[in-house]
Amino acid sequence: EVQLVESGGGLVQPGGSLRLSCAASGFSFSNYNMNWVRQAPGKGLEWVSFISTGSSRIYYADSVRGRFTISRDNAKDSLYLQMSSLRAEDTAVYYCARRLSGISTSLDVWGKGTTVTVSS
Amino acid sequence: QSVLTQPPSASGTPGQRVTISCSGSSSNIGGNAVNWYQQLPGTAPKLLIYSNDQRPSGVPDRVSGSKSGTSASLAISGLQSEDEADYYCATWDDSLNGYVFGSGTKVTVL
Repeated sequence: EVQLVESGGGLVQPGGSLRLSCAASGFSFSNYNMNWVRQAPGKGLEWVSFISTGSSRIYYADSVRGRFTISRDNAKDSLYLQMSSLRAEDTAVYYCARRLSGISTSLDVWGKGTTVTVSS
Repeated sequence: QSVLTQPPSASGTPGQRVTISCSGSSSNIGGNAVNWYQQLPGTAPKLLIYSNDQRPSGVPDRVSGSKSGTSASLAISGLQSEDEADYYCATWDDSLNGYVFGSGTKVTVL
């Protein structure tokens, strides 16, 4: 079964750091571009970051650039999001999502998400 | 403020057809394919339409997508109670160098 499982969420104080992980299974992780998408409570979806198969292409949303770092370990079938200088507005459910292969930009497989709460 | 504009809500009775619009610009919808996602309450989003009008395996053919210029639409015909969800359009934006989502449309089955 194709699956993505996020972990690492929790409660953190403003200015703090957190590292999210996403474990992939059921498909050849190294062949797929990956993304992080978040959803603040009661709000819509917000794309956070993209990383290509070999990590040569990386993009960030303006709201997190300079504070968040996306990375992957293809040997471990894992995706990561290192978050620092966290703010209250970073509070959200964070989803990792696989990008459909080929030229499509669609995200065809999603994890269930991990919740990050930034509060003192 | 989302780059892609969607109506906040849409509704219909069982069996009716509902259409959701998604308006963008030349840097996003105008130059890239549009995808649509369905998010049922309390669950992760699910890909509903990709590349403007393609349905992933398992998505019924009463769901369809289209694109014209800088706008796109999602149509759900034969509306059913299980279609009650939030729907988001999305595409790549060449100016922002990022993926952008619409503001979302909540569909209610009356």
